[in-house]
Amino acid sequence: DGGITQSPKYLFRKEGQNVTLSCEQNLNHDAMYWYRQDPGQGLRLIYYSQIVNDFQKGDIAEGYSVSREKKESFPLTVTSAQKNPTAFYLCASTPLTRPGDYGYTFGSGTRLTVV
Amino acid sequence: AQSVAQPEDQVNVAEGNPLTVKCTYSVSGNPYLFWYVQYPNRGLQFLLKYITGDNLVKGSYGFEAEFNKSQTSFHLKKPSALVSDSALYFCAVRALNSGNTPLVFGKGTRLSVIA
Repeated sequence: DGGITQSPKYLFRKEGQNVTLSCEQNLNHDAMYWYRQDPGQGLRLIYYSQIVNDFQKGDIAEGYSVSREKKESFPLTVTSAQKNPTAFYLCASTPLTRPGDYGYTFGSGTRLTVV
Repeated sequence: AQSVAQPEDQVNVAEGNPLTVKCTYSVSGNPYLFWYVQYPNRGLQFLLKYITGDNLVKGSYGFEAEFNKSQTSFHLKKPSALVSDSALYFCAVRALNSGNTPLVFGKGTRLSVIA
């Protein structure tokens, strides 16, 4: 079955450590997105990519980095510069042809906790 | 700029009663509108969408939503609530003619259906 796989489901980070969250899709979708979810704040866009080797900053990109070397993969690195990284991270994708018709397909999320 | 407002953080309803979850939006031009549902520690699942056509849109699990252009609203409704409908609901929007700009999500409304 096609879908989006996020791993790991739970991740613990020590202070000053970089961690990478994986997002892989086999839907042949062009665009991929990373959102951060905090209680009461909804979904906030971190980065998105519409084509391989290109990506754009979202509303809260500081302290995060991404790459898009393959169409299927869009990993997110939470760097030590992100001062409050504890949150639930969601990856999503959509085809760019008639994107409004499809909305987004979401992964199951990664819960990151700073210890 | 695009924006979505979900004015209620929490909606409580008795099982069997009708439910409404409110959403208002702001875009330049005509909107794509979506409703998603999220269960604990999971990604968002698509419920329904409005692009053009009939103002009453029917979606998954018996949900429907009414598009009202004059009031810029897209309220989610269900005639008879189930305990299993208890979840977090998100409204999202993007402008029809905005190219491939990302969806903007509301802050979410937590629905609690009481037996």
